Amino acid sequence: ETGVTQTPRHLVMGMTNKKSLKCEQHLGHNAMYWYKQSAKKPLELMFVYSLEERVENNSVPSRFSPECPNSSHLFLHLHTLQPEDSALYLCASSQDAARYNEQFFGPGTRLTVL
Amino acid sequence: AQTVTQSQPEMSVQEAETVTLSCTYDTSENNYYLFWYKQPPSRQMILVIRQEAYKQQNATENRFSVNFQKAAKSFSLKISDSQLGDTAMYFCAFMKPKSGGFQKLVFGTGTRLLVSP
Repeated sequence: ETGVTQTPRHLVMGMTNKKSLKCEQHLGHNAMYWYKQSAKKPLELMFVYSLEERVENNSVPSRFSPECPNSSHLFLHLHTLQPEDSALYLCASSQDAARYNEQFFGPGTRLTVL
Repeated sequence: AQTVTQSQPEMSVQEAETVTLSCTYDTSENNYYLFWYKQPPSRQMILVIRQEAYKQQNATENRFSVNFQKAAKSFSLKISDSQLGDTAMYFCAFMKPKSGGFQKLVFGTGTRLLVSP
């Protein structure tokens, strides 16, 4: 695998379920990001991790819980979601969060909350 | 706060023709970066082209070029000799360099481009 991978690619869950999204980057980067992409809206930055430390939590509801166990892996744990949380969730990585570096994106997880 | 506006939700172009996607942004900064990202139907977003605001010369990458008008805060993308593989969502994005913290990308709402045979 190369670049940024995300699993699963599609996820359907009920409002009472608990699930996790996984992101892995194979680029040796130090920063990882979660974005939410909803139709007709700009991409919304949710979380930023730099060297496994969270540096940004962009007013995201607590039903989204990120985890970054090492610089190559990023998770988004989901629980008691709402239908309006249905969206495409994109993971990205960059060499360094503190300086300009190109962000590389994964293919996304299409989440549907019933 | 910085904002990015893409006023064209959808555009169509025929193969081999040229199309221009528009983007405007709002900032009080003098130094920043601008980007165009492409998101094909397979959804992996990739960087198409970037422009540093301090550079007067417009960036070019093969068939992709930009028209950067700093005073007008305009950053349009021109795709020449359009190909079927150019069909995608195109996002304009802005980044303001800053010391410390992290570099935040601010995206527009995107323009869906359809290239037809």
